[in-house]
Amino acid sequence: DGGITQSPKYLFRKEGQNVTLSCEQNLNHDAMYWYRQDPGQGLRLIYYSQIVNDFQKGDIAEGYSVSREKKESFPLTVTSAQKNPTAFYLCASSPQGGMDEQFFGPGTRLTVL
Amino acid sequence: GENVEQHPSTLSVQEGDSAVIKCTYSDSASNYFPWYKQELGKRPQLIIDIRSNVGEKKDQRIAVTLNKTAKHFSLHITETQPEDSAVYFCAARSGSARQLTFGSGTQLTVLP
Repeated sequence: DGGITQSPKYLFRKEGQNVTLSCEQNLNHDAMYWYRQDPGQGLRLIYYSQIVNDFQKGDIAEGYSVSREKKESFPLTVTSAQKNPTAFYLCASSPQGGMDEQFFGPGTRLTVL
Repeated sequence: GENVEQHPSTLSVQEGDSAVIKCTYSDSASNYFPWYKQELGKRPQLIIDIRSNVGEKKDQRIAVTLNKTAKHFSLHITETQPEDSAVYFCAARSGSARQLTFGSGTQLTVLP
């Protein structure tokens, strides 16, 4: 299970607060991704990055922001503009610019109080 | 963009029986189709994948078939065991895109 880590495992946030989720990988993968998972739904893409200092919006980017300053790190900030942030967040990485298998982290469960 | 539909949303089978999960995709340029298994509270893990240049791939009790003309692909699990119980997701990658589009998942329950 090693290689890609997320922290924290559980996160609680008050309404109106920004919160940052960590994602780190030591697999030397080029591409990294953030997904949101809600009950009964598939994985929805928030943001992805194919290379350092570059990232693109996914299907549900509103209310989220990311950075990719280092190859091994891709943090996700959930801002107060995200109206329904309670969900399970999964980070993934992929070699060869994203043309192959994606490897997932263990996830962070965010709950807004 | 790509759209992936997955059926059924829930599936119960008796231990030892076979299970089949089906997915359809919209973009004829899609060329990579992975299947992931997610156990409760854990991360999704790849169990098998297929590329558009082949029609079928097997790995022990698991197989995937691809029909490019009809734009659908299926996961087949034979001789199911209780440990096969999990949520299964299909996905498709469109053309040269670097991202996957996932289906909504199938909760498979294998009854002992």
